[in-house]
Amino acid sequence: DAGVIQSPRHEVTEMGQEVTLRCKPISGHDYLFWYRQTMMRGLELLIYFNNNVPIDDSGMPEDRFSAKMPNASFSTLKIQPSEPRDSAVYFCASRQGGTRQYFGPGTRLTVT
Amino acid sequence: QKEVEQNSGPLSVPEGAIASLNCTYSDRGSQSFFWYRQYSGKSPELIMFIYSNGDKEDGRFTAQLNKASQYVSLLIRDSQPSDSATYLCAVNRHASGGSYIPTFGRGTSLIVHP
Repeated sequence: DAGVIQSPRHEVTEMGQEVTLRCKPISGHDYLFWYRQTMMRGLELLIYFNNNVPIDDSGMPEDRFSAKMPNASFSTLKIQPSEPRDSAVYFCASRQGGTRQYFGPGTRLTVT
Repeated sequence: QKEVEQNSGPLSVPEGAIASLNCTYSDRGSQSFFWYRQYSGKSPELIMFIYSNGDKEDGRFTAQLNKASQYVSLLIRDSQPSDSATYLCAVNRHASGGSYIPTFGRGTSLIVHP
């Protein structure tokens, strides 16, 4: 199994631009999580899906952030418009049921 | 008060010593507890999980859980420089729809010096 796949691995963009982060979970996993990690705030849960349905998006910082999961093998996290304070590492993770989570390699986002 | 608390460190120990990492949590209903290791620039990886009070051992790692005190710890015996990383404590909380969702602490940085 290839594990959780994220793209791009690095993204540098200018303030105001739209950013789309992508995630392919492990096949057969029914939960998908999006996290943001910064030095100041640690690892924060943004949103999670169960069977492609968003369950809790209370961690999404504001309306500029949106996430979709159109099918079991793909999810996106979009930031529009991006701001410098969105600079962070964004992780996607998946799991089967209530078992351990598997994290992707992360996307390092820099907004200038 | 953050739901999962960890000392940020760094915790510095000599090679061969026992490293003790601690975590407290606020939700008494929490049922499962995890320790993840994160190397710099990498993603978190699970190294231990524990559900029941007491100790759970796996190689050089021992997880200890005390639900009455709302405390979970990780002991690393015979610490090696390769153990130098940030260790994240995660506690599953009961969420909507009957699922259990982890809340992470901010992690403790461990440095093992030769």
